[in-house]
Amino acid sequence: DSGVTQTPKHLITATGQRVTLRCSPRSGDLSVYWYQQSLDQGLQFLIQYYNGEERAKGNILERFSAQQFPDLHSELNLSSLELGDSALYFCASSSGGGTEAFFGQGTRLTVV
Amino acid sequence: DQQVKQNSPSLSVQEGRISILNCDYTNSMFDYFLWYKKYPAEGPTFLISISSIKDKNEDGRFTVFLNKSAKHLSLHIVPSQPGDSAVYFCAASVGYGNKLVFGAGTILRVKS
Repeated sequence: DSGVTQTPKHLITATGQRVTLRCSPRSGDLSVYWYQQSLDQGLQFLIQYYNGEERAKGNILERFSAQQFPDLHSELNLSSLELGDSALYFCASSSGGGTEAFFGQGTRLTVV
Repeated sequence: DQQVKQNSPSLSVQEGRISILNCDYTNSMFDYFLWYKKYPAEGPTFLISISSIKDKNEDGRFTVFLNKSAKHLSLHIVPSQPGDSAVYFCAASVGYGNKLVFGAGTILRVKS
């Protein structure tokens, strides 16, 4: 158990809809990262938050947004969903000071 | 533009022998390298890391070698065990605690 909790584990929704993925980082970790893994591909970095502030942005679509709350949990919002958004979405956390990132079990999103 | 490449999609090794997984990178700014292992339906699990000031790091059966001039790193697993069968991802970052750039992964199968 990495200590990073993601909910829900599975999500099936229709095109055009909006969903919210939630992540609780390891206790004490200030950094939260979101990654997307599409079929047969590596993990693609979406966005990073550090202590509530956006720190880095990757190839995140404009239809996607994220935030980190004062209690350090994070949410990834995906809107106007398309079939191609179907993927595994992973959250990871780190203390931000030289340690590796620990990953949650992921949320499998299926857009139908 | 793939900055981190794992050119072998899969590798099959006999139990007890050495497994060698390879990774190449193109961004000379990368200074922190990690290996993650991933089982189906689970998130990536951190395995071992190395900073660019070193050329070798060892942790039990796992050793990572870094050749900066060749922009190449490898993970050696000795001896390989059936439980090592998983997908192995190489990742790199510029600075500690920053976003990770992942390779596409190598599927390792250890035969008993």
